[in-house]
Amino acid sequence: AQKVTQAQTEISVVEKEDVTLDCVYETRDTTYYLFWYKQPPSGELVFLIRRNSFDEQNEISGRYSWNFQKSTSSFNFTITASQVVDSAVYFCALREPGANSKLTFGKGITLSVRP
Amino acid sequence: EPEVTQTPSHQVTQMGQEVILRCVPISNHLYFYWYRQILGQKVEFLVSFYNNEISEKSEIFDDQFSVERPDGSNFTLKIRSTKLEDSAMYFCASSMFEQFFGPGTRLTVL
Repeated sequence: AQKVTQAQTEISVVEKEDVTLDCVYETRDTTYYLFWYKQPPSGELVFLIRRNSFDEQNEISGRYSWNFQKSTSSFNFTITASQVVDSAVYFCALREPGANSKLTFGKGITLSVRP
Repeated sequence: EPEVTQTPSHQVTQMGQEVILRCVPISNHLYFYWYRQILGQKVEFLVSFYNNEISEKSEIFDDQFSVERPDGSNFTLKIRSTKLEDSAMYFCASSMFEQFFGPGTRLTVL
C-alpha cells in the first residue's frame, strides 16, 4: 500500500527566511510519481510539481526547489526567501504507475509566513 | 488557460437529502476523479473514471455514492442520502497525466 508522511504539521517563519517542507513516502512500485500541491486559504488545490521515480535530478523553479532522494524515500520542498503569499497548506502526494491512478496525499503542512 | 470548474461552490442540505455535485473537466482530458477533504484533514480519493466507467473506488465510495458523465462534458457525483459525516469539500480533478483540480464544492449537511 502507498503512504505519504508529512511529519511537520505547522511551520511558522518570518518573511525572507528559507523553509523546508519534508515528505517521506512508501510504495512497493518501482515506478511512481511524486507531487506537491499548494492549498491557499481560498481552498483550491494548485499543482506545483511532478517528479518521476526514475529521475532523481533536483529541480529549481524560482524560489522553489525540490530535493528527491530515492535512498531515503524523501521528496522535500524548499522555499527560499519566503513571502507572506507563500502562506498555505502544502500537500505531498504519490501516484502509482498508470495514467489514471489515484493520488495518495499526505496530511499536509500548514505554512505561515509572518511579515 | 483551461481549468476544471465545479458547481455549486457551496451546497447546504438536510440530512437524508440527495445532492448532485457538478464538474466540467478540462476538455481534452480522459481521466476524471473525485476527492474529498473533511475540514482540516487530508485530501482523500473517492473514485476515478475513464471511458464511461469507474476505474477504481475507495472504501469511502459506498452505495450511497455514484458518478456519471451524462453528456460528454459534465462529470457528476451524486450522494443519494446525505449523512452529517458527508460534510466536506469535494474536489473534482481531470488529467491526461498531471491531475488538475477544480476549486471544490463545500458540502454542508445539517
